[in-house]
Amino acid sequence: RKEVEQDPGPFNVPEGATVAFNCTYSNSASQSFFWYRQDCRKEPKLLMSVYSSGNEDGRFTAQLNRASQYISLLIRDSKLSDSATYLCVVNARNQFYFGTGTSLTVIP
Amino acid sequence: DGGITQSPKYLFRKEGQNVTLSCEQNLNHDAMYWYRQDPGQGLRLIYYSQIVNDFQKGDIAEGYSVSREKKESFPLTVTSAQKNPTAFYLCASSPGQDSYEQYFGPGTRLTVT
Repeated sequence: RKEVEQDPGPFNVPEGATVAFNCTYSNSASQSFFWYRQDCRKEPKLLMSVYSSGNEDGRFTAQLNRASQYISLLIRDSKLSDSATYLCVVNARNQFYFGTGTSLTVIP
Repeated sequence: DGGITQSPKYLFRKEGQNVTLSCEQNLNHDAMYWYRQDPGQGLRLIYYSQIVNDFQKGDIAEGYSVSREKKESFPLTVTSAQKNPTAFYLCASSPGQDSYEQYFGPGTRLTVT
């Protein structure tokens, strides 16, 4: 079983739509959780850390459910510039585990 | 201007040659990591280092070697023993201690023919 699993998509949504991604992790000892964004042929860039209480940054909201071992990312009012692959990342015992990413395309 | 640099951006080598990829950071981060990314796959950990002069193998260390003689630098050598070296190589660093956010360099695309 993979450490981190994501639906690869693709998700194709119109501008202005709300889209949600989920990610599950297998290691109950996981300590830290993140969402990264990766554009085609570029490096991943940190989008946001995910805290137990949930956190919001503008149009982006991240949630963590430790009991069910999943993380979610909600994007509201999608922009064309949101088109990218979104990576779920989990840290356990000082190692990082990456999901394969969920592809999002926002359509005009 | 703080950050992580990797060089070169593109690298071409003939099969059988060793090649060293550079990774430098001026963020004063303790931890550094090397990953490779293949099309349609997630990042896979090659090696990581939590402190100078110490490093550990990741999931796919065979055919690779690293050194960590300075805090700022964590070069990766892809040896001729690596069976399928063509990939996108990403270096990352993290403050370590109680902060685990990782920051990535721009990557090196290695093509071996």
